[in-house]
Amino acid sequence: QSALTQPASVSGSPGQSITISCTGTNSDIGGYYFVSWYQQHPGKAPKLMIYEGNKRPSGVSNRFSASKSGNTASLTISGLQAEDEADYYCCSFASSNTLVFGGGTKLTVL
Amino acid sequence: EVQLVESGGGLVQPGGSLRVSCAVSEFTFSSHWMSWVRQAPGKGLEWVAKIKEDGTEKYYVDSVKGRFTISRDNAKNSLYLQMNSLRAEDTAVYYCATGQYSHGYWGQGTLVTVSS
Repeated sequence: QSALTQPASVSGSPGQSITISCTGTNSDIGGYYFVSWYQQHPGKAPKLMIYEGNKRPSGVSNRFSASKSGNTASLTISGLQAEDEADYYCCSFASSNTLVFGGGTKLTVL
Repeated sequence: EVQLVESGGGLVQPGGSLRVSCAVSEFTFSSHWMSWVRQAPGKGLEWVAKIKEDGTEKYYVDSVKGRFTISRDNAKNSLYLQMNSLRAEDTAVYYCATGQYSHGYWGQGTLVTVSS
């Protein structure tokens, strides 16, 4: 049950696109389709942005998209906005019917 | 509007016990898996445990197995986490959240501090 690997930080200018990677193993990301992504602003509860790989909950902007290749999942935010500045976490279903989160990525909008 | 409200956090000595609760409203609680996720101060999210709709299946992260017990009362729309043999490394904000594979709704969290 080791944490998934995310870059500690990424940055981009308003209007640009950024991608956050999330690397796991065959026992989590590579073995299952249940990858989710969460946004967390300081002092707030996490918010679900993507579930089941690439589905967006109602109300989440279509600027957020996700994909998976092998043991790596990715979250892309296009048309970056100031309000996107937050911490982002990936999460995957894992063997033994457990879940594992990534270490988190701090997104800075320059 | 769906609401999840955690309670029961506080300061507890190492080796002690604490039970945190989560009251859920405006949600078909009895039809959904529920989870606990924690976040140590200044750190990332860590999934802790989850429980099936009827309480017959429970799963835990290795670090809490044998010490923590997740349970639910569908008649009261409530989720619980009984934490025994607490350690300093269990200090965190504990969130309850809906879902088995992903978490669509979250509470605001309750802080558990393990310290002497």
